[in-house]
Amino acid sequence: TQLLEQSPQFLSIQEGENLTVYCNSSSVFSSLQWYRQEPGEGPVLLVTVVTGGEVKKLKRLTFQFGDARKDSSLHITAAQPGDTGLYLCAGGGSGNTGKLIFGQGTTLQVKP
Amino acid sequence: NAGVMQNPRHLVRRRGQEARLRCSPMKGHSHVYWYRQLPEEGLKFMVYLQKENIIDESGMPKERFSAEFPKEGPSILRIQQVVRGDSAAYFCASSPRQTYEQYFGPGTRLTVT
Repeated sequence: TQLLEQSPQFLSIQEGENLTVYCNSSSVFSSLQWYRQEPGEGPVLLVTVVTGGEVKKLKRLTFQFGDARKDSSLHITAAQPGDTGLYLCAGGGSGNTGKLIFGQGTTLQVKP
Repeated sequence: NAGVMQNPRHLVRRRGQEARLRCSPMKGHSHVYWYRQLPEEGLKFMVYLQKENIIDESGMPKERFSAEFPKEGPSILRIQQVVRGDSAAYFCASSPRQTYEQYFGPGTRLTVT
């Protein structure tokens, strides 16, 4: 069974601090997606990483896919209150059927 | 370009009633996926459909749940004889082809009383 474990589960920091969220698995994924979800809304796709070792930047967010394609990280520089939300990583399930397997999520609170 | 639309956004049903959840994919998307988010749990895959076909229903409970995506109209997730444990947020996602890069709707929050 493919599983994705995210850490930490909860993170409360002050505005301006940096943070990293981790997404780990013992399984290889063909791709990993990162989503952000706000209360009462659906997940919003932030980025897709496909190649082992790949690094993608989205303004203050940096996403990395592990060389073995089993793990990923999200690093936020100089966090802002607007970054507050639930961050989810998701990987493609086995069998290439379009089924996404989600991590439990990391709840981030950025205090002004 | 309108995103994925789901309705209703909130649905209250009494135990034993039927719940029908609708999903209209993004324009140009013919692949639809349903996920369920139980309280304090992560998103779990339920079913993947293309127009008129169920591709993968490995996450669907064996009884009371069904899904369809007809040639015309929205995709429907149907839950018969709802029980309190069905209370959850149900999300639909769509994509233009079979891919893990999926775009989610705002969800339907089902409450069973």
